[in-house]
Amino acid sequence: QKEVEQDPGPLSVPEGAIVSLNCTYSNSAFQYFMWYRQYSRKGPELLMYTYSSGNKEDGRFTAQVDKSSKYISLFIRDSQPSDSATYLCAMSAQTGANNLFFGTGTRLTVIP
Amino acid sequence: DVKVTQSSRYLVKRTGEKVFLECVQDMDHENMFWYRQDPGLGLRLIYFSYDVKMKEKGDIPEGYSVSREKKERFSLILESASTNQTSMYLCASSFRGSDEKLFFGSGTQLSVL
Repeated sequence: QKEVEQDPGPLSVPEGAIVSLNCTYSNSAFQYFMWYRQYSRKGPELLMYTYSSGNKEDGRFTAQVDKSSKYISLFIRDSQPSDSATYLCAMSAQTGANNLFFGTGTRLTVIP
Repeated sequence: DVKVTQSSRYLVKRTGEKVFLECVQDMDHENMFWYRQDPGLGLRLIYFSYDVKMKEKGDIPEGYSVSREKKERFSLILESASTNQTSMYLCASSFRGSDEKLFFGSGTQLSVL
C-alpha cells in the first residue's frame, strides 16, 4: 500500500465551480500537510501548508485535514481557467523535506 | 522574486554518457534537493544536502551522485546514463527550519537514448 494515495484525474470543471481535490494516507504519524500546484512545464509551487488537523483558508483556497479519517482535501472556490494545473499533496511525520511523501497529483482543467 | 534555476530545460543523451544537471538558487537556502518525477510514480527524492560539501541519499540514489561545492549550487551527476533514467528532474531548495516548504526549479526533461 502506498503511503499517500491521490486520484490522478483528469478532472474537468466549468469556470466558477467549486473544486474538491483529495488525498488519503496510511501513516497516522503524518502531521505536516501541504498542497503544491504544478503548471504544465513548470516545477511545483507551494500553495497551502497546514500542521495537524483543521482548516486553513487563503483566498479562494481552503485546505482541510481530517486525521481521524487520514484524509486531506483542497477546495477551490469560484474556479478560474488559471487554476488549470496538476495539484500534488505532500505530507510528513516530522520536519525535513527528506521525510516528505508526495501524492502522484491530480490534473485539473477549468473550462471557460 | 525567489528563484531556483536549472541549467537545461531539455536534454538528450546517449546510453553510457556522463550527464551533469546543474541547479542554482538565489535565496541563500541551506537545503537543496534533487527529485525525479515520473507519471504514476510522483516525486521521488534522489539526493539532498543540508550544507555545503554535505550530501545525503534519498529514496532512489542508485546510479546518481551529487556535488555541492557552493551554497547556491547543487549538481546532479548521472555517472553512466541509462534509458531508465529518462525522466523529469526537479531541483528544489528550502530554508533550514522550514524544510518542507520547497521552492522548485522548472525542471530538466532528460531523455536517454
